[in-house]
Amino acid sequence: DQQVKQNSPSLSVQEGRISILNCDYTNSMFDYFLWYKKYPAEGPTFLISISSIKDKNEDGRFTVFLNKSAKHLSLHIVPSQPGDSAVYFCAASASGGSNYKLTFGKGTLLTVNP
Amino acid sequence: ETGVTQTPRHLVMGMTNKKSLKCEQHLGHNAMYWYKQSAKKPLELMFVYSLEERVENNSVPSRFSPECPNSSHLFLHLHTLQPEDSALYLCASSRNRDSLYGYTFGSGTRLTVV
Repeated sequence: DQQVKQNSPSLSVQEGRISILNCDYTNSMFDYFLWYKKYPAEGPTFLISISSIKDKNEDGRFTVFLNKSAKHLSLHIVPSQPGDSAVYFCAASASGGSNYKLTFGKGTLLTVNP
Repeated sequence: ETGVTQTPRHLVMGMTNKKSLKCEQHLGHNAMYWYKQSAKKPLELMFVYSLEERVENNSVPSRFSPECPNSSHLFLHLHTLQPEDSALYLCASSRNRDSLYGYTFGSGTRLTVV
């Protein structure tokens, strides 16, 4: 059973517009969430994170929103650039116990068209 | 270059072969991980090492055998693999078992079992 779900395998947006990538989770013990970005032939790289005590975290063009009641988070990229084209993975962690384990979604392939 | 180096980048092996994947990090991290990424599946955690001690074996078949001789090196020994084991194998490290700081991933080894 997948605890972290990224239901959109792919997303295509125009350069300069907003990209919104979505992620849902089922485990109510998750309290820390991360987004990773992966280019072909490279490993995932950390992008942005959010703790469950917050509902928004912003870093430049990237903003992550967390809706705990809906068990939903989203990554907004504004404005989108062609270099943002990559696979984006949502990941979640539960503090305490196995707090070293990240559970990942399947990823969403974002394509930003010039 | 992320600071986590994996070799080889690509590996083709027969089902009767024995090979090893290598991961090296010089980030001063104390925890290291092996993940498997198969097509259209989430990243799957295989093994976790913390301070050179294996702390998790996530129901991985015995044909995969990890080794962590020191905090900077992690190996994955492979023997009598099956074609369904073909995947991207990613190594990651983190400062400690607290995943709040996220992981640093290597570029992965693309394994093909023939």
